[in-house]
Amino acid sequence: NAGVTQTPKFRILKIGQSMTLQCAQDMNHNYMYWYRQDPGMGLKLIYYSVGAGITDKGEVPNGYNVSRSTTEDFPLRLELAAPSQTSVYFCASSYNVNEQYFGPGTRLTVT
Amino acid sequence: GENVEQHPSTLSVQEGDSAVIKCTYSDSASNYFPWYKQELGKRPQLIIDIRSNVGEKKDQRIAVTLNKTAKHFSLHITETQPEDSAVYFCAPYGRDSNYQLIWGAGTKLIIKP
Repeated sequence: NAGVTQTPKFRILKIGQSMTLQCAQDMNHNYMYWYRQDPGMGLKLIYYSVGAGITDKGEVPNGYNVSRSTTEDFPLRLELAAPSQTSVYFCASSYNVNEQYFGPGTRLTVT
Repeated sequence: GENVEQHPSTLSVQEGDSAVIKCTYSDSASNYFPWYKQELGKRPQLIIDIRSNVGEKKDQRIAVTLNKTAKHFSLHITETQPEDSAVYFCAPYGRDSNYQLIWGAGTKLIIKP
């Protein structure tokens, strides 16, 4: 099992550009999450999904969008990137609302 | 919503000594209390968790204790080793957080040789 995979590992965006961060899991988990982690800080929940076709906002959803068309994939879309979106993005999945398994992260810089 | 605080924010201990990190929460309906460890540049990983019907849980050198009345739970690491150096996060969840984990700000644990 690959667990939770994320692509890309690193990305530099110019202000106003858009991109999609990919996340996939092969553990058949219903729950999937997107977090951002700013330097020296804890994790902030952006969006989460409790199953295919169902998504909901977390604590900091502004500037992001998600979709969940399959159990395995949960992409995060950034529209009109801003410097405030410079962060490390982690995708995670869980069988229920218990242990979360994290991907390796995507380090995004917006300049 | 749920308010979560961790103390201390940084903890420096001599190798071989014990370390204790405390997490306080506000949601009296919280019923799941995990601790995650994040090494520098790595992803967070669950190291131990406890449910509200249990007061203490131990796994080798780490333990978690829960005081539901006072609304706090603590991570205990005994005989600390260099590989324990990391940031530790508590992330309780419950009704008020719509059953999502609410993450503390983290505690940086430094093990001095």
